Amino acid sequence: QVQLQESGPGLVKPSQTLSLTCTVSGDSISSAGYYWNWIRQHPGKGLEWIGHIYYSGSTYYNPSLKSRITISIDTSKNKFSLKLSSVTAADTAVYYCARDLGNYDTTGYPKWGQGTLVTVSS
Amino acid sequence: QSVLTQPPSVSAAPGQKVAISCSGSSSNIGKYYVSWYQQLPGTAPKLLIYGNNIRPSGIPDRFSGSKSGTSATLAITGLQTGDEADYYCGTWDSSLNGGVFGGGTKLTVL
Repeated sequence: QVQLQESGPGLVKPSQTLSLTCTVSGDSISSAGYYWNWIRQHPGKGLEWIGHIYYSGSTYYNPSLKSRITISIDTSKNKFSLKLSSVTAADTAVYYCARDLGNYDTTGYPKWGQGTLVTVSS
Repeated sequence: QSVLTQPPSVSAAPGQKVAISCSGSSSNIGKYYVSWYQQLPGTAPKLLIYGNNIRPSGIPDRFSGSKSGTSATLAITGLQTGDEADYYCGTWDSSLNGGVFGGGTKLTVL
């Protein structure tokens, strides 16, 4: 049973870069057909898709965040990562990593990490 | 402002039925499957429905989904107090080339 776990600093200063890692266990991150996603949720608000990566390194990003996002993957360590640059208080949110349905179906996410709260504050 | 539109809140009595709507457009719901999620306070979203109307293993058949055109609906029958949660719809959008969600609906079981 695949499991995902986010890790990274819980506090980031304004203008700095937020860096998070998602460690995948129970399945290979190189499994064909799966996209690995980052999704965030601002306090008391709804879900926002940030972007996803395929094991080949191919990425899609949310257009509203595209200029500040980098998602990368390390298949040797079964991990993928998120970097969000030039953060402001508006980037304070719970960040989730998630795996989609597989078979190249990007319409749903059955597997989620527990989420990690990142606060942007000086 | 979410790409998909949901009512902010719905309520019903225990044992009753409730329906939560999700409205989109031809570039998202009109083109792709819809998923639904339940989020209890302080927890990650849980997939309730995918492929418009398919329940993952372990999801009770009290939960059902449907889609018509550019709208989708989640129906919950036999409401229980434990169903009180936030519910989100989601899918893919071909114009944005990304995942999209509704703003969420808070279900209160009176």
